[in-house]
Amino acid sequence: KQEVTQIPAALSVPEGENLVLNCSFTDSAIYNLQWFRQDPGKGLTSLLLIQSSQREQTSGRLNASLDKSSGRSTLYIAASQPGDSATYLCAVSYNTDKLIFGTGTRLQVFP
Amino acid sequence: NAGVTQTPKFQVLKTGQSMTLQCAQDMNHNSMYWYRQDPGMGLRLIYYSASEGTTDKGEVPNGYNVSRLNKREFSLRLESAAPSQTSVYFCASSFTGGNGYTFGSGTRLTVV
Repeated sequence: KQEVTQIPAALSVPEGENLVLNCSFTDSAIYNLQWFRQDPGKGLTSLLLIQSSQREQTSGRLNASLDKSSGRSTLYIAASQPGDSATYLCAVSYNTDKLIFGTGTRLQVFP
Repeated sequence: NAGVTQTPKFQVLKTGQSMTLQCAQDMNHNSMYWYRQDPGMGLRLIYYSASEGTTDKGEVPNGYNVSRLNKREFSLRLESAAPSQTSVYFCASSFTGGNGYTFGSGTRLTVV
């Protein structure tokens, strides 16, 4: 069964820290992988999309890496801010547009 | 720049009642999706439509029907609501290949 796992489930850090969120997937034959952000009571916002042929993508303070052979992706957040507090979701697709989601990492950045 | 619009935002149903959740996108996306989000289970795909005129089942289709009315609109219908269908429902759309994936703001449905 194709599954996506995210560790840790929750994370609380002081402002300014660099942090890493982890995502692992059981089937390495992915089409692409995406990271989303979800604020409480809101929809999902796409952060980064990594195609299967790529190793990483960057957007501002965010950097996502992809290692297909090991079935892992990491989302690196530099110099975290309280406004980064949200749930971060990893999702993969396999030769289709359908996404399989992890259960997310709930991040809290305190001042 | 509306993106993906879902209606209604909140709904309370009694067991056995029916309702339709509406979704529309204005980005000329080919694919549209309905997901449900439950605590501890993440988002799960209910149905999707890869193009106008086509629909396919996702991971949890039982108890639901969908209609891809045109390229812009994709509706989700609950014919006889059950308490197990209490959830937050998200509509999404994308270009082919999953590029430009955009979610609506969700519908919070409670079935009592």
